[in-house]
Amino acid sequence: DIQMTQSPSTLSASVGDRVTIPCRASQSISNWLAWYQQKPGKAPKLLIYKASTLESGVPSRFSGSGSGTEFTLTISSLQPDDFATYYCQQYNSYPYTFGQGTKLEIK
Amino acid sequence: QVQLQESGPGLVKPSETLSLTCTVSGASISSNYWSWIRQPPGKGPEWIGYVYFRGSPDYNPSLKSRVTFSVDTSKNQFSLKLTSVTAADTAVYYCAREGGYSYGGGSFPYWGQGILVTVSS
Repeated sequence: DIQMTQSPSTLSASVGDRVTIPCRASQSISNWLAWYQQKPGKAPKLLIYKASTLESGVPSRFSGSGSGTEFTLTISSLQPDDFATYYCQQYNSYPYTFGQGTKLEIK
Repeated sequence: QVQLQESGPGLVKPSETLSLTCTVSGASISSNYWSWIRQPPGKGPEWIGYVYFRGSPDYNPSLKSRVTFSVDTSKNQFSLKLTSVTAADTAVYYCAREGGYSYGGGSFPYWGQGILVTVSS
């Protein structure tokens, strides 16, 4: 299985900050990577697919980059609604695997 | 608009079988790939496997010996059975649909709301 590593598990930031959330794959996954946002009690919401393609309806302050084994989710200017947990997921090969998440907290 | 809704018991006894159903509206079950994903409390999601209306399902090897998927095209539903459950199977279980060709396959733009299943006597 491909392991997805997200570190740190918690990130503190303020409204208006630019934030980058990293994700690392244990082997190359090309650009077959998705990013999700999850709020308590809700299903994950797809933000980014194919590493850098913004899902329809997702604000443009979210962007994704990377290929191979290193990926980043960037939020250009944090808004109050963005405080949540973010997961990366690889779909290069079965079984699909998710990272353990980075929780974005208010500083 | 694609909508998915999980249903089934919220409490299952150890060693018994967990059974869940996902009812789909706004899309035909006879297209796309449909997955089950679970998320233990405080942890990241775990992909259980996918089913297509024809062909064999594909399961996560970590669960393959205990899991079975099925599809009911007449009801536009698909189902999950997980046998010999233990406390480690306690999780929120989601059904989800892959985005399809334009998404490159295995990302999930469509999710059910999730159902918490607790394994306890």
